[in-house]
Amino acid sequence: EAQVTQNPRYLITVTGKKLTVTCSQNMNHEYMSWYRQDPGLGLRQIYYSMNVEVTDKGDVPEGYKVSRKEKRNFPLILESPSPNQTSLYFCASSPGGVGNYTFGSGTRLTVV
Amino acid sequence: AQSVAQPEDQVNVAEGNPLTVKCTYSVSGNPYLFWYVQYPNRGLQFLLKYITGDNLVKGSYGFEAEFNKSQTSFHLKKPSALVSDSALYFCAVRDNSNYQLIWGAGTKLIIKP
Repeated sequence: EAQVTQNPRYLITVTGKKLTVTCSQNMNHEYMSWYRQDPGLGLRQIYYSMNVEVTDKGDVPEGYKVSRKEKRNFPLILESPSPNQTSLYFCASSPGGVGNYTFGSGTRLTVV
Repeated sequence: AQSVAQPEDQVNVAEGNPLTVKCTYSVSGNPYLFWYVQYPNRGLQFLLKYITGDNLVKGSYGFEAEFNKSQTSFHLKKPSALVSDSALYFCAVRDNSNYQLIWGAGTKLIIKP
């Protein structure tokens, strides 16, 4: 089944403890992206990647890192999480820059 | 500035009635327009897109959208609403300078039996 897999689905962590949210797609898509969704703010893009080893900042990149060493994986790294990074995170992928994305099921992160 | 507006936070419709979820946009160049749906506790799902051609675009689950260039709108429609259509709907337009999607704030659609 064609899908984007995010792990974990739920995560509670403490301020300052480094964490990684994984994202993997099995559709050979070139494009991958990370979003956060907050009530009243809609979807905001964190980082995106047009292909392997090519990443760019989105609208809210501060406090996040990404890497794209392989086509299928696009992990999101929070080096020192803070409570304002408590959010629902989505990974998405698409073939090229067409725009019909496939989204993962989301990761609900709570930083205390 | 490029933007997408979904003027209604919430739309309430009785089951069986037609529904419309509104979207207007502002973008440089030709618009690439999209609708996505988010069911509770799920990721977003692609519904339909307009790139070129017919102004009426058909998508998944019986939804369609009408592109109106003069009004810069891309309203989502369905002739007969189902309770299961209740969800959060997002409109998006592609930013032609960097190929990223610009998202609307979302409209909560509630279909009452």
